[in-house]
Amino acid sequence: GAGVSQSPSNKVTEKGKDVELRCDPISGHTALYWYRQSLGQGLEFLIYFQGNSAPDKSGLPSDRFSAERTGGSVSTLTIQRTQQEDSAVYLCASSLALAGSGNTIYFGEGSWLTVV
Amino acid sequence: RKEVEQDPGPFNVPEGATVAFNCTYSNSASQSFFWYRQDCRKEPKLLMSVYSSGNEDGRFTAQLNRASQYISLLIRDSKLSDSATYLCVVTARNTGGFKTIFGAGTRLFVKA
Repeated sequence: GAGVSQSPSNKVTEKGKDVELRCDPISGHTALYWYRQSLGQGLEFLIYFQGNSAPDKSGLPSDRFSAERTGGSVSTLTIQRTQQEDSAVYLCASSLALAGSGNTIYFGEGSWLTVV
Repeated sequence: RKEVEQDPGPFNVPEGATVAFNCTYSNSASQSFFWYRQDCRKEPKLLMSVYSSGNEDGRFTAQLNRASQYISLLIRDSKLSDSATYLCVVTARNTGGFKTIFGAGTRLFVKA
C-alpha cells in the first residue's frame, strides 16, 4: 500500500479481554516497529522486527504483550487480559531497512485502544 | 537518566519569532538523528534528518554536536502552522541490533 496501514483504528474493550492489533507496513519495508503513546506522553518503544525476527523484545511492558510478523510483512500485536493502563494509541511504523542506517521511519495512523 | 531528553515546553511564541529546541542523548554510540513533528492526535512525521555538518531546509535548521551529545532545531519566522510537538529521535546499535528512541517531545504554540 501507499503507507503504513493499521487496524482497527479504534477499539474499546472490556478489562480482561484480549485484543489483537494489526499492522500492514509499506511494501518492501523490511523493518517494522511498534510504539505506544499514552495521552499527552511521548512514544514508548515496544518491539521491532527485522524481517520476521524480533531481536529486541525488551520494550514489551509485560508478558501479556506479544507480537509476531509473518512473511516479512503484516505484524500483529496481541495484548492478553487487557488492563486499564493499556489504554493508549499503538503506533506501528516501518522503514526500508533498519533505522540505524539512516532510513526514515514512516508511521501509521495508530490504533486507539480504550480499556473500560 | 532518559536516553533522549527534551525540554517539554510548551514554548509560546508570536508569529515571526525564532525558536530553538535542544535535545540531549545519553548513548555515545548513537548513529542516526532526526527531528519528527507530531500534530495533535496524529502520527509523527519526519521533519528532517540531522547531520554532523548541520543541515537546513527552508526556515528549519538542524545541528548535531557529537562531542556534547546534543541536537538542536531552529525554526525561523514561525508560522501558525508550525504549532505542533517536535520529537527528537536517536538511533543506536545495541546488543539486539538497533534501537530507535523518541524523546518525549517539545510542544510549540505559535500565536497570531
